Amino acid sequence: EDQVTQSPEALRLQEGESSSLNCSYTVSGLRGLFWYRQDPGKGPEFLFTLYSAGEEKEKERLKATLTKKESFLHITAPKPEDSATYLCAVDRVQGAQKLVFGQGTRLTINP
Amino acid sequence: NAGVTQTPKFRVLKTGQSMTLLCAQDMNHEYMYWYRQDPGMGLRLIHYSVGEGTTAKGEVPDGYNVSRLKKQNFLLGLESAAPSQTSVYFCASTGQPFYEQYFGPGTRLTVT
Repeated sequence: EDQVTQSPEALRLQEGESSSLNCSYTVSGLRGLFWYRQDPGKGPEFLFTLYSAGEEKEKERLKATLTKKESFLHITAPKPEDSATYLCAVDRVQGAQKLVFGQGTRLTINP
Repeated sequence: NAGVTQTPKFRVLKTGQSMTLLCAQDMNHEYMYWYRQDPGMGLRLIHYSVGEGTTAKGEVPDGYNVSRLKKQNFLLGLESAAPSQTSVYFCASTGQPFYEQYFGPGTRLTVT
């Protein structure tokens, strides 16, 4: 059974304080690992897709990395507008895309 | 482009009532999905469709039915609502298996 576990559940940082969010996964054949951002009362918004171990992608203050067992979302010098819940999901290689999501990390950046 | 839209945004039902949630996308996507999101549980797949006229079960399909009569629309039905179906429901779509899913704004459903 495919599983995704995110840690920590919640994280509070001061503005400018860099940190990382973790996404551990087990899947029989990874087709892609996805990171989404979700603001309160809204639908998830796509950030990154990673396809193979060693791959990295960056967008503004965010960088996502992937190993064979986990992915990290690194946040460098965050701002209050980076406050959101960050979701990780995996898709296995067979058949139609069916994402399995973790429970999310709720990130709060204090000014 | 409106992207993915969902109707209604909010709904309150009594136990045993029925309703249909509508999802529409204007991106000509083949794949469409219905999820539910509950506190501490993450997003869970209810049903999905790989093209017009097709549907398949996801992780938590019991108590729900779906239809995809038109490529741009994906309907989620609750025939006899139960309090356990109180949740936030999200629709999503994608064009290819490798690509990201685009999500709608959600429907908050309360069953009393």
